[in-house]
Amino acid sequence: QQQVKQSPQSLIVQKGGISIINCAYENTAFDYFPWYQQFPGKGPALLIAIRPDVSEKKEGRFTISFNKSAKQFSLHIMDSQPGDSATYFCAAGDSGNTGKLIFGQGTTLQVKP
Amino acid sequence: DGGITQSPKYLFRKEGQNVTLSCEQNLNHDAMYWYRQDPGQGLRLIYYSQIVNDFQKGDIAEGYSVSREKKESFPLTVTSAQKNPTAFYLCASSPGWGTEAFFGQGTRLTVV
Repeated sequence: QQQVKQSPQSLIVQKGGISIINCAYENTAFDYFPWYQQFPGKGPALLIAIRPDVSEKKEGRFTISFNKSAKQFSLHIMDSQPGDSATYFCAAGDSGNTGKLIFGQGTTLQVKP
Repeated sequence: DGGITQSPKYLFRKEGQNVTLSCEQNLNHDAMYWYRQDPGQGLRLIYYSQIVNDFQKGDIAEGYSVSREKKESFPLTVTSAQKNPTAFYLCASSPGWGTEAFFGQGTRLTVV
């Protein structure tokens, strides 16, 4: 029940295309859903985050869509660029309990020029 | 500069030795975390601490130990009891429960 399942494991997109990464969770106590971007040899960096009181949040080319009834959320990268090539992790947290984040398995994105 | 500093960046350990990974933050965050990352896998929680002098086991605490004597410091010791310690270790902190976590640049530990 603590798991966060992320798909796909890897993704190849042409420059200018849309990259879509999906995550699903089981624990209805989760109330914080961030996305992280990680480049090789570096620590993950917070990209964008959402709470379940909204269904969508957009920051620049990055959008989170959230479906509370389906217990799913996704990251959309519009106009994907080669510089977006990285590993992306979704996560879920429970602010009413420990606050710890449970991470998905990660998606390696490659944007071809 | 505010942030999280992990040291060393690379660490080599002989089998049977204990090693300690350093994590320091100057963000005045209450919560700190240690994660382990293996190739092609997500981040798995080792230990976390919400306040000074208190910490809890995460999902893979066996073979690891921590201390939280100061708010800004959360060192992780990888003991000889950890059977497969070669991994990338990440420290993180957050201002409070259920808020954004900020990560350090990681320590890559290799057993030789």
